[in-house]
Amino acid sequence: DVKVTQSSRYLVKRTGEKVFLECVQDMDHENMFWYRQDPGLGLRLIYFSYDVKMKEKGDIPEGYSVSREKKERFSLILESASTNQTSMYLCASGAWRETQYFGPGTRLLVL
Amino acid sequence: LAKTTQPISMDSYEGQEVNITCSHNNIATNDYITWYQQFPSQGPRFIIQGYKTKVTNEVASLFIPADRKSSTLSLPRVSLSDTAVYYCLVGVRDNQGGKLIFGQGTELSVKP
Repeated sequence: DVKVTQSSRYLVKRTGEKVFLECVQDMDHENMFWYRQDPGLGLRLIYFSYDVKMKEKGDIPEGYSVSREKKERFSLILESASTNQTSMYLCASGAWRETQYFGPGTRLLVL
Repeated sequence: LAKTTQPISMDSYEGQEVNITCSHNNIATNDYITWYQQFPSQGPRFIIQGYKTKVTNEVASLFIPADRKSSTLSLPRVSLSDTAVYYCLVGVRDNQGGKLIFGQGTELSVKP
């Protein structure tokens, strides 16, 4: 059974903190994705990676960076968290134009 | 502006067939159309995927017209457990190249 795991289900951070969200997949997928999900806005792509050490900006990359040092792991970094980054963050892996498999999500609250 | 459009919400009763349509005028030539189901506090879960005409699996059918500018997810005989948000995902072409775009999601409420 396919599996995408995220390091935390819930996270509370303070404004200005550096935040790491980690995602691990066990399906040997080349592509991994980070989305954020907000009420009324649906899912929006932040960054994706198509190979180790490779990354591409999605629709809303501002305020975020990513790291892909190993194929199975894709990290989302908030360099200096702000309150407008309070959201649900979803990681996915899969094919660019085909099925993506999602993790359970991390609900981040920035105070 | 490339985008996908779905109804925001739909209501149904147990045992009925539900059809949810997604409009995607700028779909890329080679891209698939994928539908996901999401329950509260969970990540989206794959339901079905197609390129053209009709695709059917054990949970749903997907109807795609020849021009591929829309697609319809069909859920036969829904039950209370089908209450969820349904998203379409397509690759689109715009003046910046290509991107994947999720629809805004359709909140389906199934009543007894």
